[in-house]
Amino acid sequence: KQEVTQIPAALSVPEGENLVLNCSFTDSAIYNLQWFRQDPGKGLTSLLLIQSSQREQTSGRLNASLDKSSGRSTLYIAASQPGDSATYLCVTTGGGNKLTFGTGTQLKVEL
Amino acid sequence: NAGVTQTPKFQVLKTGQSMTLQCAQDMNHNSMYWYRQDPGMGLRLIYYSASEGTTDKGEVPNGYNVSRLNKREFSLRLESAAPSQTSVYFCAIKPMGRSGANTGELFFGEGSRLTVL
Repeated sequence: KQEVTQIPAALSVPEGENLVLNCSFTDSAIYNLQWFRQDPGKGLTSLLLIQSSQREQTSGRLNASLDKSSGRSTLYIAASQPGDSATYLCVTTGGGNKLTFGTGTQLKVEL
Repeated sequence: NAGVTQTPKFQVLKTGQSMTLQCAQDMNHNSMYWYRQDPGMGLRLIYYSASEGTTDKGEVPNGYNVSRLNKREFSLRLESAAPSQTSVYFCAIKPMGRSGANTGELFFGEGSRLTVL
C-alpha cells in the first residue's frame, strides 16, 4: 500500500526566503506525481505535474523534482511571498490508477 | 478550477434529510472522483468512476450513493444525512492516458460545504 508523507507538517519563513517542501512515497511504481496548493476554505489548485519519465518541472518561481528510485519529490519555492501561504499537497498516481495524497505541509510566509 | 463545476457550494441539512451533490465537467475526461475532506483526516475517497456507467467504492462509501449516467456528470447522493457527514466534498477529474493509465493532470472543483444538524 502506497504511503505518502510530507515533511515538515508546518513551516514558517520570512518573506524572500527560498524554501523546499518534501514529499516521500513508499512505492516507486508511480505514473506521475502532482503538487497542489490549497488556501483556507478553498479548493485544490494544481501547481505542477511530473510524469514518471521526467525528473523536474518548472513554473515561474516553482520547481518540482522527482526521484523515483529514492521515493522522493521536492517542491522548491524561490523568493517566497506572503501570497504563497497555503497548504501544499503532493499526490501520486499508481497502479490501478490509485491516487494517494500526502499529509500536507502548511506554509506561512511572514512579512 | 476551470472545467469542474460543483453544486451547491453550501448546504445545511437536518439529520435524515436527503440531498444530491452535483459535479459536471467540460473537459471530456474519463475518470471522476468524489472526496471528502475533514480536519486532521486529509482527503478520503468516497467513490470513483472510471467511465460512464461504472462506479467503484472508495475508502469511505457508507451512507453515500453515486450515479454516472453520462461522461460529463457524476453525482453524489446522501439518502439519509447524518451529522458525521458534515464535511467539505470535492469532485475531481482526470484524463485517461493512451496506455489506459491515468497519467493526466488531476483537477478539482471548488468544493461543496455540507453541514448536517
